[in-house]
Amino acid sequence: KAGVTQTPRYLIKTRGQQVTLSCSPISGHRSVSWYQQTPGQGLQFLFEYFSETQRNKGNFPGRFSGRQFSNSRSEMNVSTLELGDSALYLCASSSNTGNTGELFFGEGSRLTVL
Amino acid sequence: AQTVTQSQPEMSVQEAETVTLSCTYDTSENNYYLFWYKQPPSRQMILVIRQEAYKQQNATENRFSVNFQKAAKSFSLKISDSQLGDTAMYFCAFMKQGGSQGNLIFGKGTKLSVKP
Repeated sequence: KAGVTQTPRYLIKTRGQQVTLSCSPISGHRSVSWYQQTPGQGLQFLFEYFSETQRNKGNFPGRFSGRQFSNSRSEMNVSTLELGDSALYLCASSSNTGNTGELFFGEGSRLTVL
Repeated sequence: AQTVTQSQPEMSVQEAETVTLSCTYDTSENNYYLFWYKQPPSRQMILVIRQEAYKQQNATENRFSVNFQKAAKSFSLKISDSQLGDTAMYFCAFMKQGGSQGNLIFGKGTKLSVKP
């Protein structure tokens, strides 16, 4: 079974630009969550999607948005990039059966904002 | 709001020895789950062990075990017979029962180095 796949793995942008990151969950998983990981703040929850609907949202500004497609693939978008958006963005999928809290993570997309 | 605190930013251990990573949390919930996740260098984060708060028995997975003290809100991870492959960031995480599957509250992590 293929794992969670995130693309691109690395990218460099400049302030003011926008970026779109993609996540393909494990086959059969309908829940996709996004986290921002930085050395200072650790892992912070961005949002979760289930069956194309945003089910939960973290405390991030509206510049951060996401969506999920009918095949469960998800994208997140960050507009008007700021230097502080430099981070590793992690996607995680789960089967949502039993609500066990086990997340399956991708390798992440490392964004550098110059 | 729930919080998770890992007070040891970095730790090191000799191969084959035992090491304990600390985690404390704060919550008013009575039913919840606690987790330890492992993030090896440049690799995917994976679940190491899970504990349901209603279970008194401490969870064990091979060389990994936890010491869950509900009243003290403490959840430490013990790694026995440490191996070089255990070198990683370890994150403690919390999820309230019935909560959103994808919304875990993570601590800031402990960087563990296993030395030969």
